Amino acid sequence: DVKVTQSSRYLVKRTGEKVFLECVQDMDHENMFWYRQDPGLGLRLIYFSYDVKMKEKGDIPEGYSVSREKKERFSLILESASTNQTSMYLCASRLGRNNAEAFFGQGTRLTVV
Amino acid sequence: QKEVEQNSGPLSVPEGAIASLNCTYSDRGSQSFFWYRQYSGKSPELIMFIYSNGDKEDGRFTAQLNKASQYVSLLIRDSQPSDSATYLCAVTPGGGNKLTFGTGTQLKVEL
Repeated sequence: DVKVTQSSRYLVKRTGEKVFLECVQDMDHENMFWYRQDPGLGLRLIYFSYDVKMKEKGDIPEGYSVSREKKERFSLILESASTNQTSMYLCASRLGRNNAEAFFGQGTRLTVV
Repeated sequence: QKEVEQNSGPLSVPEGAIASLNCTYSDRGSQSFFWYRQYSGKSPELIMFIYSNGDKEDGRFTAQLNKASQYVSLLIRDSQPSDSATYLCAVTPGGGNKLTFGTGTQLKVEL
């Protein structure tokens, strides 16, 4: 069975902390994505990666960075967490071809206090 | 202009009716189009994808694509209360690796 696993389901962090969100997929997918989901705003793309060590900015990269040292793992880093980064974070992965389905992790609800 | 636009709803339809969900996109180079369903508190799951102009049917679901009008829609026939969810449209702008979602349309199927 296809699986995308995010390291935490719920996370509470303090303003100014450095926060790591981890995502692992077991499907040998080339592409991995980080989205945040907020009410009324849908899924907004933060960063994506199309290969190991390769990354591209999405639509809202400010305040975030990413790391992909191994094909199966894609990390989202909040360098200095702020309250406006309180959100649901969703990781996804898909094969690197046009019609490939994206599979999502269970999501991480991050609260910054 | 947003890359993918959807009416947020809610769209309410009676049980057994046809629900019609619409999506427009801005990049004429977009090649693949997806419809995802997301239940409250859950992650999105793929319903179907389409990449050629015209209709594609899968059970009660039909996706329609019109590249000239930059428009993709999802029809749900014989709507059931279990279809109540948020439906997300996604496209691959320029046919590349990026996958961009709309804001989603909330569908409510009423008894």
